[in-house]
Amino acid sequence: DQQVKQNSPSLSVQEGRISILNCDYTNSMFDYFLWYKKYPAEGPTFLISISSIKDKNEDGRFTVFLNKSAKHLSLHIVPSQPGDSAVYFCAASVVGNQFYFGTGTSLTVIP
Amino acid sequence: DGGITQSPKYLFRKEGQNVTLSCEQNLNHDAMYWYRQDPGQGLRLIYYSQIVNDFQKGDIAEGYSVSREKKESFPLTVTSAQKNPTAFYLCATRQWGNSNQPQHFGDGTRLSIL
Repeated sequence: DQQVKQNSPSLSVQEGRISILNCDYTNSMFDYFLWYKKYPAEGPTFLISISSIKDKNEDGRFTVFLNKSAKHLSLHIVPSQPGDSAVYFCAASVVGNQFYFGTGTSLTVIP
Repeated sequence: DGGITQSPKYLFRKEGQNVTLSCEQNLNHDAMYWYRQDPGQGLRLIYYSQIVNDFQKGDIAEGYSVSREKKESFPLTVTSAQKNPTAFYLCATRQWGNSNQPQHFGDGTRLSIL
């Protein structure tokens, strides 16, 4: 049973525009959410996180939004750059317990 | 991520053979994890360990075994009982505690069947 879902397997965006990656979850006990970026044949790299007491967290070009009532998480990348092309995974956990990962969204930024 | 070393990068297994994947870390993190990634799927948890000499099964532990004799090392053995072992295996570490901390990953081992 997939507790964290990424319904868009792929996304293409023009360089300089906004990329929006979405993630939905089913477990209302999740209180820590993360985004990871992954290149082929490499391990995921931690990008940004947010705890459930917040609804927004920013780090440079990356912003994560959390809508607890909708059980929805999104990652905004502005402006998108060709180097952002990768697979993005969202993840969620209850503090101190295991992490649950989505199936990933492959982002292509077109120069 | 720096500080987490997985070896080998590529591994081939013959039918009926056990193979062991290595994961070493110098981050002084308490918790270590093993995940499996298949094409088009997310990361699925195999085993995890919060402290030395203790580990717990994840969602897909059947056909796998682990040990945690040292804080720095968490090797994963893929046994002959694992009928579909071909996958990309990822090791992760995390600083344990009550505060929110991300997991950090090694670069993975790709296991294939000969």
